[in-house]
Amino acid sequence: EAGVAQSPRYKIIEKRQSVAFWCNPISGHATLYWYQQILGQGPKLLIQFQNNGVVDDSQLPKDRFSAERLKGVDSTLKIQPAKLEDSAVYLCASTTRGGHRTQRQYFGPGTRLTVT
Amino acid sequence: QKEVEQNSGPLSVPEGAIASLNCTYSDRGSQSFFWYRQYSGKSPELIMFIYSNGDKEDGRFTAQLNKASQYVSLLIRDSQPSDSATYLCAVITGGGNKLTFGTGTQLKVEL
Repeated sequence: EAGVAQSPRYKIIEKRQSVAFWCNPISGHATLYWYQQILGQGPKLLIQFQNNGVVDDSQLPKDRFSAERLKGVDSTLKIQPAKLEDSAVYLCASTTRGGHRTQRQYFGPGTRLTVT
Repeated sequence: QKEVEQNSGPLSVPEGAIASLNCTYSDRGSQSFFWYRQYSGKSPELIMFIYSNGDKEDGRFTAQLNKASQYVSLLIRDSQPSDSATYLCAVITGGGNKLTFGTGTQLKVEL
């Protein structure tokens, strides 16, 4: 079974530039998550999709971050314009049973973003 | 108060010893509790989950949950150098939709 795919793996941009990350979840997984993990911290949920609908985006900085999952499969997370504090690893995860108490989230390899 | 709290460590234990990792949470309505392992530069991988009070064992790992004290722990028996990693405690909060992570505890198993 193929895992969660993410690209690019690394990205370096200057502040005020824009960047986009792509995620393809495990086949059949209806729920998709984007997390931000700053060095030395645990992952922080940015947005959760159930199929192509948003379940939770309460921690997404909507003035600069946007995400979409148009066909309920792969997803794109965009930052525009980027700030220095956006430097982090962006993790995508998926699960079959989002919200269930035994949900197992499978994480992709992440995209390491450096904003200079 | 943070929703999920862990001691950042590092926690150092000798090879073969028992490593004890602790986590407290603030939401009394939390239903499920997860332990993820994260090697440096890698993404988190699930080790165990628990949702009933008491102990749950899987190989060398034991998860312990005490809902009255809002406390969950992970014991690693016969620790190996390959267990050296950051262990993330995660809790389902917000009515069952949101997984909230602690900051993680760095474990070092020394030869």
